[in-house]
Amino acid sequence: AQSVTQLDSHVSVSEGTPVLLRCNYSSSYSPSLFWYVQHPNKGLQLLLKYTSAATLVKGINGFEAEFKKSETSFHLTKPSAHMSDAAEYFCVVTDTGTASKLTFGTGTRLQVTL
Amino acid sequence: GAVVSQHPSWVICKSGTSVKIECRSLDFQATTMFWYRQFPKQSLMLMATSNEGSKATYEQGVEKDKFLINHASLTLSTLTVTSAHPEDSSFYICSALAYEQYFGPGTRLTVT
Repeated sequence: AQSVTQLDSHVSVSEGTPVLLRCNYSSSYSPSLFWYVQHPNKGLQLLLKYTSAATLVKGINGFEAEFKKSETSFHLTKPSAHMSDAAEYFCVVTDTGTASKLTFGTGTRLQVTL
Repeated sequence: GAVVSQHPSWVICKSGTSVKIECRSLDFQATTMFWYRQFPKQSLMLMATSNEGSKATYEQGVEKDKFLINHASLTLSTLTVTSAHPEDSSFYICSALAYEQYFGPGTRLTVT
């Protein structure tokens, strides 16, 4: 069985400061991991994905995540937050080897203040 | 890039009526589409997997007679909520599979 735990339901940062959104996963096999972003009343957009290649994954809009097998973590980071980053972020896992059976975390709402 | 649309984006219906939501892949074909439900401030829960030309596969606890899914073509899947009740009010999101899942913008259903 696969699951993800997003450790923070809400994160607030000031514009220009670093962002850290934490995610731990559980998977019976070699997982694929994703981060999606959802802006209000919008669909989900893929930020980045890990599929057993490089452990440090770079995504869109300056986001990156590091796969740490020993810690079963896949935390999302960004060096400098922008107001437009305010949204809901979902950590997602699949152990099927494809993107067909996704398990979503409960989400982290990122607030960016001036 | 791959774009998925949903229609309508927002619908209000009276209790006891049925409502149909369309999910279209605009610039690619998708043998497989997925339907999710999202409650306020909660995660997405997979309701069913829709395969073109065959019956949908429903997740445990999802009433297949209430949530009818039809995937009649490689670019269109529909979800019909039959005899809707206020507890069916939710945000419904579809996705289409093409190497990765591409998500639609969602449909907000309000049942009064």
